[in-house]
Amino acid sequence: GAGVSQSPSNKVTEKGKDVELRCDPISGHTALYWYRQSLGQGLEFLIYFQGNSAPDKSGLPSDRFSAERTGGSVSTLTIQRTQQEDSAVYLCASSLSAGTGNTIYFGEGSWLTVV
Amino acid sequence: GENVEQHPSTLSVQEGDSAVIKCTYSDSASNYFPWYKQELGKGPQLIIDIRSNVGEKKDQRIAVTLNKTAKHFSLHITETQPEDSAVYFCAASGRRGYSTLTFGKGTMLLVSP
Repeated sequence: GAGVSQSPSNKVTEKGKDVELRCDPISGHTALYWYRQSLGQGLEFLIYFQGNSAPDKSGLPSDRFSAERTGGSVSTLTIQRTQQEDSAVYLCASSLSAGTGNTIYFGEGSWLTVV
Repeated sequence: GENVEQHPSTLSVQEGDSAVIKCTYSDSASNYFPWYKQELGKGPQLIIDIRSNVGEKKDQRIAVTLNKTAKHFSLHITETQPEDSAVYFCAASGRRGYSTLTFGKGTMLLVSP
């Protein structure tokens, strides 16, 4: 596609439920990132995928968070047993390759509200 | 790990004035410094970036300066327009050897007509 596509754009869920957020990166981009943006805060790195290499999960805040990337393209971020503090915008991004200095393109984000 | 500080958190200017946003970083290994603009309800969009082998870069009304010795970099917007109103984020990259960015907390710029 023309840009990074994320779905759903908005999600309201009850505390304790699981949610899945989907990201479709720019075609041909081998690197994929998930960031979290809380109200009034900067962007917090969550996880990074590069090709078939093991992902860098160092930013995941707890074991309730997981992500996978199938076939080197689409990625799904899963949050289990959601808590109110998980409410945030979850941004997916991609870049052509992993080298430092490659432009990172962001999607519009998935707005998650946990009630 | 890397830490990026950004100031000010909010900035109000009159149309036509200049705006300056400053960032400092902690990791001397960082070598790539992009700036993103985020409009309400949208994802961040890259507006300009600079690499560590360059001290200044300009693109029309936008310029970025980098001082590696002091570990700070700044965004300069001249002749501001109301459509420049948005949240601006600075970021730094390089420690991991790949593109993952550490972001500042953002500056909300408001340009009044």
